[in-house]
Amino acid sequence: DAGVIQSPRHEVTEMGQEVTLRCKPISGHNSLFWYRQTMMRGLELLIYFNNNVPIDDSGMPEDRFSAKMPNASFSTLKIQPSEPRDSAVYFCASSLAVISGYTFGSGTRLTVV
Amino acid sequence: DAKTTQPNSMESNEEEPVHLPCNHSTISGTDYIHWYRQLPSQGPEYVIHGLTSNVNNRMASLAIAEDRKSSTLILHRATLRDAAVYYCILRDGRNSGAGSYQLTFGKGTKLSVIP
Repeated sequence: DAGVIQSPRHEVTEMGQEVTLRCKPISGHNSLFWYRQTMMRGLELLIYFNNNVPIDDSGMPEDRFSAKMPNASFSTLKIQPSEPRDSAVYFCASSLAVISGYTFGSGTRLTVV
Repeated sequence: DAKTTQPNSMESNEEEPVHLPCNHSTISGTDYIHWYRQLPSQGPEYVIHGLTSNVNNRMASLAIAEDRKSSTLILHRATLRDAAVYYCILRDGRNSGAGSYQLTFGKGTKLSVIP
């Protein structure tokens, strides 16, 4: 298995632009998580899905952030409009719906200028 | 999630064992103890988890205190590649029906390995 695949690896965009981050979870995993990591705040859970359904989005910072999981093999995190304070590394992770480990992707480093 | 306490940083010499402590005095009976690590410029990586008994895998060993209020991650021979931030996390094992399996990361312990 190729693991959790995220794209793009790096994204540089101008303030106000729309940004879409993509994630392909491991086949068979039915829980998917989006995290954000900054030096100041560490790793923060933004939203997670179980069986493609959003379960908890309380970590989504603002209405500018939205996430979707149209099917079991794909999820997106969208920021519209983007702001410089959104600059961070965004990680996607997936797991089985039992007590097991998460598998994280390599992350997307977002820079908003 | 119940809270864990870890030292901010630790050092170890290469090829020596490393014991990374974690306190979780408010752990509940259904909380599993998970350890993850994050190497520089990479995503977090699952290391090991356990409930009550000590656990071993190819990466590490997890020693859990009898009262479950603390645990220790043991790396048997530290290598330079083990230099990372290690996170101790409690994860509720109850099936809430909605599938609530989220992990909440703290600041972890930054392990430096000295050649």
